[in-house]
Amino acid sequence: DILMTQSPNSLSVTPGEPASISCRSSQSLLHRTGYTYFDWYLQRPGQSPQLLIHLGSNRASGVPDRFSGSGSGTDFTLKISRVEAEDVGVYYCMQTLQIPYTFGQGTKLKI
Amino acid sequence: EVQLVQSGGGLVQPGGSLRLSCTASGFTLSDYYMGWVRQAPGMGLLWVSRINGDGSSISYADFVRGRFTISRDDAKSTLFLQMNSLRDGDTAVYYCARLGVRGAFDIWGQGTAVTVSS
Repeated sequence: DILMTQSPNSLSVTPGEPASISCRSSQSLLHRTGYTYFDWYLQRPGQSPQLLIHLGSNRASGVPDRFSGSGSGTDFTLKISRVEAEDVGVYYCMQTLQIPYTFGQGTKLKI
Repeated sequence: EVQLVQSGGGLVQPGGSLRLSCTASGFTLSDYYMGWVRQAPGMGLLWVSRINGDGSSISYADFVRGRFTISRDDAKSTLFLQMNSLRDGDTAVYYCARLGVRGAFDIWGQGTAVTVSS
């Protein structure tokens, strides 16, 4: 199984300040087609997860442009340029390159 | 509006069975892979199962293989998860989700709670 490891486990950010979350996979997520099967999700308190970033760096529909994803191979980063109160929740990375799909353990963002 | 509405779930004794349903609207279910993800109380997300558009390709996590069955009824736009031989460790909120463009879960159901307890 591909192991996904996020850091940090939690972070506290002042509104308006940037935030960054890292995720490392135990093997490359680059498919032979050239696509990288890596996503970021946000689960707000009491809600279902929502897709933020797919294929490593593509923002999902409706996601504010303060969210950006970068990285390749085994190392990925989610950046929030200016944190807002609504960004509170748990962020998860996930790989869908290989069955079983696997998630990171989550990073809790607090204001 | 594109959405997934879940039903089923509840309290069941160890060894019992439950069937979860997930009804799609706003899109054609058969055009997409679909999956189930669960979240135990206070824990992270865990992938459970996946089915392709015509039901010919199905995958399960090791911890449910042989006990859970994923299926779909495209005429009813509904995805199912039949859960048998339930264990305490299966207690979780179960989410259905659509596998959209390039393998990401782009639409999620509201979740349904399953509690396995005597």
